[in-house]
Amino acid sequence: QKEVEQDPGPLSVPEGAIVSLNCTYSNSAFQYFMWYRQYSRKGPELLMYTYSSGNKEDGRFTAQVDKSSKYISLFIRDSQPSDSATYLCAMSAGTNAGKSTFGDGTTLTVKP
Amino acid sequence: GAGVSQSPSNKVTEKGKDVELRCDPISGHTALYWYRQSLGQGLEFLIYFQGNSAPDKSGLPSDRFSAERTGGSVSTLTIQRTQQEDSAVYLCASRTRAETQYFGPGTRLLVL
Repeated sequence: QKEVEQDPGPLSVPEGAIVSLNCTYSNSAFQYFMWYRQYSRKGPELLMYTYSSGNKEDGRFTAQVDKSSKYISLFIRDSQPSDSATYLCAMSAGTNAGKSTFGDGTTLTVKP
Repeated sequence: GAGVSQSPSNKVTEKGKDVELRCDPISGHTALYWYRQSLGQGLEFLIYFQGNSAPDKSGLPSDRFSAERTGGSVSTLTIQRTQQEDSAVYLCASRTRAETQYFGPGTRLLVL
Protein backbone atom coordinates (compact mmCIF):
# COMPACT_ATOMS: atom_id res chain seq x y z
CA GLN A 1 0.00 0.00 0.00
CA LYS A 2 1.26 3.47 -0.88
CA GLU A 3 2.01 5.97 1.87
CA VAL A 4 -0.08 8.59 0.08
CA GLU A 5 -3.28 7.77 -1.79
CA GLN A 6 -4.96 10.39 -3.95
CA ASP A 7 -8.44 10.28 -5.47
CA PRO A 8 -7.54 9.30 -9.03
CA GLY A 9 -10.05 11.25 -11.08
CA PRO A 10 -10.18 12.46 -13.74
CA LEU A 11 -12.57 15.15 -12.67
CA SER A 12 -14.65 17.28 -15.04
CA VAL A 13 -16.73 20.18 -13.74
CA PRO A 14 -18.53 23.20 -15.22
CA GLU A 15 -17.06 26.65 -14.77
CA GLY A 16 -18.02 28.15 -11.42
CA ALA A 17 -18.30 24.81 -9.62
CA ILE A 18 -16.70 24.03 -6.28
CA VAL A 19 -14.02 21.37 -6.62
CA SER A 20 -12.84 19.05 -3.87
CA LEU A 21 -9.55 17.16 -4.21
CA ASN A 22 -8.53 14.66 -1.56
CA CYS A 23 -5.61 12.59 -0.29
CA THR A 24 -5.19 10.11 2.53
CA TYR A 25 -1.93 9.01 4.07
CA SER A 26 -0.61 6.38 6.45
CA ASN A 27 2.58 7.90 7.90
CA SER A 28 1.84 9.61 11.22
CA ALA A 29 5.17 11.45 11.01
CA PHE A 30 4.00 13.69 8.17
CA GLN A 31 3.73 17.27 9.38
CA TYR A 32 4.03 19.35 6.21
CA PHE A 33 1.33 19.15 3.57
CA MET A 34 1.50 20.65 0.12
CA TRP A 35 -0.63 20.92 -2.98
CA TYR A 36 1.02 21.37 -6.35
CA ARG A 37 -0.56 22.26 -9.67
CA GLN A 38 0.98 20.84 -12.82
CA TYR A 39 0.05 22.03 -16.27
CA SER A 40 0.66 19.76 -19.22
CA ARG A 41 4.37 19.41 -20.05
CA LYS A 42 5.38 21.68 -17.16
CA GLY A 43 6.93 21.08 -13.77
CA PRO A 44 4.72 21.15 -10.65
CA GLU A 45 4.22 24.56 -9.02
CA LEU A 46 3.47 24.98 -5.34
CA LEU A 47 -0.10 26.07 -4.75
CA MET A 48 -0.67 25.67 -1.02
CA TYR A 49 1.51 24.75 1.93
CA THR A 50 0.21 23.84 5.38
CA TYR A 51 1.91 22.82 8.58
CA SER A 52 0.03 20.38 10.84
CA SER A 53 -3.77 20.35 11.15
CA GLY A 54 -6.10 23.17 10.22
CA ASN A 55 -7.31 25.24 7.31
CA LYS A 56 -5.49 27.67 5.10
CA GLU A 57 -7.14 29.94 2.58
CA ASP A 58 -5.58 31.75 -0.38
CA GLY A 59 -8.03 33.42 -2.70
CA ARG A 60 -10.24 30.79 -4.27
CA PHE A 61 -8.20 27.95 -2.77
CA THR A 62 -8.61 26.39 0.68
CA ALA A 63 -6.42 23.61 2.04
CA GLN A 64 -7.63 21.47 4.93
CA VAL A 65 -5.58 19.03 7.00
CA ASP A 66 -7.08 16.57 9.45
CA LYS A 67 -4.17 14.72 11.04
CA SER A 68 -6.45 12.64 13.27
CA SER A 69 -8.03 11.13 10.16
CA LYS A 70 -4.86 11.35 8.05
CA TYR A 71 -6.84 13.18 5.40
CA ILE A 72 -6.14 16.35 3.45
CA SER A 73 -8.27 18.28 1.00
CA LEU A 74 -7.97 21.13 -1.45
CA PHE A 75 -11.09 23.10 -2.30
CA ILE A 76 -11.33 25.36 -5.33
CA ARG A 77 -14.19 27.84 -5.36
CA ASP A 78 -15.61 29.45 -8.49
CA SER A 79 -13.49 27.17 -10.65
CA GLN A 80 -12.16 28.61 -13.91
CA PRO A 81 -11.02 26.95 -17.15
CA SER A 82 -7.50 28.10 -16.26
CA ASP A 83 -7.67 25.79 -13.22
CA SER A 84 -7.62 22.81 -15.60
CA ALA A 85 -4.48 20.92 -14.63
CA THR A 86 -3.24 17.96 -12.63
CA TYR A 87 -3.20 18.52 -8.88
CA LEU A 88 -0.67 16.66 -6.76
CA CYS A 89 -0.73 16.37 -3.00
CA ALA A 90 2.60 15.98 -1.23
CA MET A 91 3.72 15.62 2.35
CA SER A 92 6.86 15.28 4.41
CA ALA A 93 7.92 14.56 7.95
CA GLY A 94 9.86 17.76 8.51
CA THR A 95 12.31 20.34 7.29
CA ASN A 96 15.26 18.02 7.75
CA ALA A 97 13.50 14.97 6.40
CA GLY A 98 14.40 15.84 2.86
CA LYS A 99 12.11 14.21 0.39
CA SER A 100 8.41 14.72 -0.02
CA THR A 101 6.06 11.86 -0.79
CA PHE A 102 3.61 12.60 -3.58
CA GLY A 103 0.20 11.31 -4.54
CA ASP A 104 -0.35 10.17 -8.12
CA GLY A 105 -2.33 13.29 -9.01
CA THR A 106 -5.89 14.16 -9.98
CA THR A 107 -6.52 15.65 -13.41
CA LEU A 108 -9.13 18.39 -13.36
CA THR A 109 -10.93 19.83 -16.37
CA VAL A 110 -13.10 22.91 -15.93
CA LYS A 111 -15.44 23.35 -18.87
CA PRO A 112 -16.53 26.88 -19.90
CA GLY B 1 14.72 35.93 -10.64
CA ALA B 2 15.56 32.81 -12.63
CA GLY B 3 13.88 29.58 -11.64
CA VAL B 4 15.18 26.03 -11.75
CA SER B 5 16.40 25.14 -15.21
CA GLN B 6 16.95 21.70 -16.70
CA SER B 7 18.61 20.50 -19.86
CA PRO B 8 18.00 19.01 -22.26
CA SER B 9 14.24 19.51 -22.48
CA ASN B 10 13.86 16.29 -24.41
CA LYS B 11 16.21 13.37 -24.91
CA VAL B 12 15.75 10.38 -27.17
CA THR B 13 18.29 7.61 -26.81
CA GLU B 14 18.78 4.00 -27.74
CA LYS B 15 18.57 1.19 -25.24
CA GLY B 16 21.96 0.55 -23.68
CA LYS B 17 23.29 4.08 -24.10
CA ASP B 18 24.25 6.35 -21.18
CA VAL B 19 22.51 9.70 -20.65
CA GLU B 20 23.27 12.75 -18.53
CA LEU B 21 20.58 15.13 -17.35
CA ARG B 22 21.47 18.53 -15.93
CA CYS B 23 19.82 20.70 -13.30
CA ASP B 24 20.63 24.32 -12.42
CA PRO B 25 18.93 25.16 -9.12
CA ILE B 26 17.85 28.57 -7.93
CA SER B 27 20.88 30.50 -6.72
CA GLY B 28 21.38 30.14 -2.98
CA HIS B 29 19.16 27.08 -2.58
CA THR B 30 21.04 24.52 -0.53
CA ALA B 31 18.70 21.58 -1.10
CA LEU B 32 18.29 19.86 -4.46
CA TYR B 33 16.06 16.94 -5.38
CA TRP B 34 15.62 14.63 -8.35
CA TYR B 35 12.27 12.97 -9.01
CA ARG B 36 10.98 10.74 -11.79
CA GLN B 37 7.44 11.00 -13.15
CA SER B 38 6.13 8.23 -15.35
CA LEU B 39 3.11 8.79 -17.59
CA GLY B 40 0.01 9.40 -15.48
CA GLN B 41 1.88 8.82 -12.25
CA GLY B 42 2.95 10.93 -9.33
CA LEU B 43 6.51 11.87 -8.54
CA GLU B 44 8.93 9.15 -7.49
CA PHE B 45 11.77 10.40 -5.29
CA LEU B 46 15.24 9.54 -6.58
CA ILE B 47 17.92 11.46 -4.67
CA TYR B 48 18.30 14.47 -2.37
CA PHE B 49 21.29 16.74 -1.75
CA GLN B 50 21.46 19.06 1.27
CA GLY B 51 24.46 21.32 1.53
CA ASN B 52 27.67 19.40 2.19
CA SER B 53 25.91 16.42 3.76
CA ALA B 54 26.02 12.98 2.21
CA PRO B 55 23.16 12.69 -0.31
CA ASP B 56 20.07 10.63 0.40
CA LYS B 57 20.19 8.06 -2.40
CA SER B 58 17.42 5.88 -1.04
CA GLY B 59 15.16 6.40 -4.07
CA LEU B 60 17.59 5.42 -6.82
CA PRO B 61 15.99 2.38 -8.51
CA SER B 62 19.21 0.61 -9.47
CA ASP B 63 22.98 1.05 -9.57
CA ARG B 64 22.62 2.27 -13.15
CA PHE B 65 21.44 5.57 -11.68
CA SER B 66 23.82 8.04 -10.08
CA ALA B 67 23.90 11.76 -9.41
CA GLU B 68 26.39 14.34 -8.32
CA ARG B 69 26.24 17.95 -7.30
CA THR B 70 29.29 20.05 -7.98
CA GLY B 71 30.16 23.07 -5.87
CA GLY B 72 26.84 22.93 -4.11
CA SER B 73 25.05 24.14 -7.22
CA VAL B 74 24.63 22.33 -10.55
CA SER B 75 23.60 18.69 -10.44
CA THR B 76 23.88 15.93 -13.02
CA LEU B 77 21.79 12.76 -13.02
CA THR B 78 23.42 9.94 -14.99
CA ILE B 79 21.64 6.84 -16.20
CA GLN B 80 23.93 4.12 -17.53
CA ARG B 81 22.89 1.39 -19.96
CA THR B 82 19.42 2.87 -20.34
CA GLN B 83 16.40 0.58 -20.49
CA GLN B 84 12.97 1.24 -21.98
CA GLU B 85 11.45 1.37 -18.49
CA ASP B 86 13.67 4.39 -17.78
CA SER B 87 11.48 6.45 -20.14
CA ALA B 88 9.88 9.17 -18.02
CA VAL B 89 10.05 12.83 -17.15
CA TYR B 90 12.93 13.58 -14.81
CA LEU B 91 12.22 16.57 -12.56
CA CYS B 92 14.65 18.56 -10.50
CA ALA B 93 13.63 20.79 -7.59
CA SER B 94 15.48 23.07 -5.22
CA ARG B 95 14.40 24.36 -1.86
CA THR B 96 15.03 27.24 0.44
CA ARG B 97 12.97 27.50 3.64
CA ALA B 98 10.71 24.81 5.04
CA GLU B 99 9.20 22.52 2.42
CA THR B 100 8.60 24.90 -0.48
CA GLN B 101 10.27 23.06 -3.32
CA TYR B 102 10.54 24.83 -6.67
CA PHE B 103 10.51 22.55 -9.69
CA GLY B 104 12.16 22.84 -13.06
CA PRO B 105 10.30 22.03 -16.28
CA GLY B 106 11.73 18.53 -16.47
CA THR B 107 13.64 16.47 -19.02
CA ARG B 108 11.52 14.09 -21.08
CA LEU B 109 13.55 10.95 -21.67
CA LEU B 110 12.52 8.39 -24.26
CA VAL B 111 14.50 5.18 -24.55
CA LEU B 112 13.91 3.34 -27.81
